[in-house]
Amino acid sequence: DTAVSQTPKYLVTQMGNDKSIKCEQNLGHDTMYWYKQDSKKFLKIMFSYNNKELIINETVPNRFSPKSPDKAHLNLHINSLELGDSAVYFCASSQRTGGANVLTFGAGSRLTVL
Amino acid sequence: EDKVVQSPLSLVVHEGDTVTLNCSYEVTNFRSLLWYKQEKKAPTFLFMLTSSGIEKKSGRLSSILDKKELFSILNITATQTGDSAVYLCAVFQNEKLTFGTGTRLTIIP
Repeated sequence: DTAVSQTPKYLVTQMGNDKSIKCEQNLGHDTMYWYKQDSKKFLKIMFSYNNKELIINETVPNRFSPKSPDKAHLNLHINSLELGDSAVYFCASSQRTGGANVLTFGAGSRLTVL
Repeated sequence: EDKVVQSPLSLVVHEGDTVTLNCSYEVTNFRSLLWYKQEKKAPTFLFMLTSSGIEKKSGRLSSILDKKELFSILNITATQTGDSAVYLCAVFQNEKLTFGTGTRLTIIP
């Protein structure tokens, strides 16, 4: 069973389009995250949700809108895609209550904007 | 500004060698330091360190944290080709993991 699953794995699209990436975790965790990894492998936090509430929004452009319908799902919608949005987007989850700090990551969604 | 710095950025060694990867940090509200291994896809968890001076071991890998000097090291002994990967250091602070730039380790057979 995949613990954190993301779809799609690959996404190729034109500038200006709108796209979504979905994430689901079956670990029973209460916190989910989106990270962006650039071409140099640097992982940077974008958003974090705890029990469907936004707790971190790390100066990400308004074109990026996360949505958490329940604590097992965190989706990412991107409007008006730009070339600089090309990256691998990782979803992750952790259990915030009890102080556990280990994030479990999904396999990533590679977005290419042409 | 919070920062996590890893060195070296890349390392190429022969199979059987021992390597030491470094991670230093300057962050607010430190809670723990984590090491991850990233091959082609998702980063996979290796160690979490919260206390100074206590070594964590898993097979040929070990890690230790120095909270006074604000650094950690990851050691890999008797390296194998399967150890080739990017090793990521991250600090859990302010409800998130802040990552370093990673060390790309290449093991030559």
